[in-house]
Amino acid sequence: NAGVTQTPKFRVLKTGQSMTLLCAQDMNHEYMYWYRQDPGMGLRLIHYSVGEGTTAKGEVPDGYNVSRLKKQNFLLGLESAAPSQTSVYFCASTVTGRTGELFFGEGSRLTVL
Amino acid sequence: KNQVEQSPQSLIILEGKNCTLQCNYTVSPFSNLRWYKQDTGRGPVSLTIMTFSENTKSNGRYTATLDADTKQSSLHITASQLSDSASYICVVSYGGSQGNLIFGKGTKLSVKP
Repeated sequence: NAGVTQTPKFRVLKTGQSMTLLCAQDMNHEYMYWYRQDPGMGLRLIHYSVGEGTTAKGEVPDGYNVSRLKKQNFLLGLESAAPSQTSVYFCASTVTGRTGELFFGEGSRLTVL
Repeated sequence: KNQVEQSPQSLIILEGKNCTLQCNYTVSPFSNLRWYKQDTGRGPVSLTIMTFSENTKSNGRYTATLDADTKQSSLHITASQLSDSASYICVVSYGGSQGNLIFGKGTKLSVKP
């Protein structure tokens, strides 16, 4: 039972570099989310998707882009990384957005120097 | 403003003791309230999901209560174990079909032998 898988788990970037975080789920969930978790703060929603081919902005979308070309995958991109994007990123998925149990990946720790 | 406040921020207890974590929220329109357990370096894992009509829900040694009138919830842990050491996050879902969630900052629980 893989559930939600995030890759990579760790990454160090220099300011201005780009990268993509991959989230894959094998539960046939419609809804997928990208969150960031910073010390002393609750998880904050970056972008989300309610189905294949759809994406929408969350609370803190600036500096990030996403794509959901396949139902099982949700990609988070940083086009020009900044130190403020140093964080732990979590992907999550659920069957139904409002009431469904949210399943999280193990997180991707990103450091931007 | 939609907010979720948790207390205490951190807590240390001895193995075998009970403890109660608090969550107060000002979220509207309320849909459900969730408690998650997050082990260090891992993704959050769901403990309970409670709707407006539920005032108590148990999951093993974890019992969550919800008072929708006072907008308060608590998570009671019975006969604590070392493996209960983690952050416990209160999350409130509101409005929208896509599942708008407000995350608390969490309570960090340490269980000592």
